[in-house]
Amino acid sequence: AQSVAQPEDQVNVAEGNPLTVKCTYSVSGNPYLFWYVQYPNRGLQFLLKYITGDNLVKGSYGFEAEFNKSQTSFHLKKPSALVSDSALYFCAVRSILTGGGNKLTFGTGTQLKVEL
Amino acid sequence: ETGVTQTPRHLVMGMTNKKSLKCEQHLGHNAMYWYKQSAKKPLELMFVYSLEERVENNSVPSRFSPECPNSSHLFLHLHTLQPEDSALYLCASSRGTSGGRATDTQYFGPGTRLTVL
Repeated sequence: AQSVAQPEDQVNVAEGNPLTVKCTYSVSGNPYLFWYVQYPNRGLQFLLKYITGDNLVKGSYGFEAEFNKSQTSFHLKKPSALVSDSALYFCAVRSILTGGGNKLTFGTGTQLKVEL
Repeated sequence: ETGVTQTPRHLVMGMTNKKSLKCEQHLGHNAMYWYKQSAKKPLELMFVYSLEERVENNSVPSRFSPECPNSSHLFLHLHTLQPEDSALYLCASSRGTSGGRATDTQYFGPGTRLTVL
């Protein structure tokens, strides 16, 4: 079974500092990995994904993620955090359904808090 | 806006009520999904429809009944729910056709916050 783990329930960072939200994965075959963000009382917004190619993936709102095959990790990063980045972040791994569509298996989420 | 809308945004119902959640996507996608998000739990995939056919039913109790009349609309019919069913119900869509596409991204609606009294 495919899975992802987010080892930190919460990450605190000062505005202007770099941020990292961690994710490790366990898959059979090639991993297809995603990051989503959820603001309070909202649905999930897609940030970025890794399918193949460059290990550094750039996404929305200045976020990027680094795929590391040897460490089975896909950490989300941003060089300079903003207070408005405070939200709940989810890592997910995708598997294809034979009948069509795909299945995302999500981590438990990491609450990011950016303080002034 | 992601192109996926859900109504209502909030719903309070008693355990004997019958209600329905509605999802509509304006992205031209072929696959639609229902997820349940409970406090302190990972998102749980409930149902998947591809080209209006159900392709995944993740051991969901029969008090939840999905319906997909066309590729743009998805419903979740609710009856005789329990208080533990209170959660945020999220709808999503993706391009996914038969065989799936490796690059498919799921786009989520804002969710319906359901409270069962």
